[in-house]
Amino acid sequence: EDQVTQSPEALRLQEGESSSLNCSYTVSGLRGLFWYRQDPGKGPEFLFTLYSAGEEKEKERLKATLTKKESFLHITAPKPEDSATYLCAVQAGGKLIFGQGTELSVKP
Amino acid sequence: EAQVTQNPRYLITVTGKKLTVTCSQNMNHEYMSWYRQDPGLGLRQIYYSMNVEVTDKGDVPEGYKVSRKEKRNFPLILESPSPNQTSLYFCASRVRGEGQPQHFGDGTRLSIL
Repeated sequence: EDQVTQSPEALRLQEGESSSLNCSYTVSGLRGLFWYRQDPGKGPEFLFTLYSAGEEKEKERLKATLTKKESFLHITAPKPEDSATYLCAVQAGGKLIFGQGTELSVKP
Repeated sequence: EAQVTQNPRYLITVTGKKLTVTCSQNMNHEYMSWYRQDPGLGLRQIYYSMNVEVTDKGDVPEGYKVSRKEKRNFPLILESPSPNQTSLYFCASRVRGEGQPQHFGDGTRLSIL
């Protein structure tokens, strides 16, 4: 069964304290792994797509990496405006399967 | 501005009263989809459509209907809503092809009493 698991469920950081979010997946025939950011009251906002093991992508303080079984979202020197829920999803055929998300809170 | 528009944004209704949530996109995307988001369960796909007149079930299709008569519109229909369909609903669209990111609307919060 295709499945996506994210950890931790919630993460509290001090401003400037770097950390990583994990996304483990099992899917038959990965067609893309996605990271989204979701702010309260809003729809998910696309961040990255990763297609194959070893691939890395960066955007400002965020860096996403991919292995054959998991993906990491590294946050370097986070700021309060990085506070949001981060969602991981995998494409399996026509479906998009989401993990439950990691709620990130960054305190000044 | 490229966007996915859902209406209504909020709705409180009663069990059994048919309702439709509309979704429209202005990006000429072939693929559209509906999700529901519940605490502890995350986003789950209800239905998706690869193109006009083509729809498929997602992981939680029971109690929902969809139609895709035009490329830009993908309404979600609850023929006889029940309280367990109280949720936050999102519509999304993307271009055809593997690995293409989906663009989401801002959501519709449904409360069914």
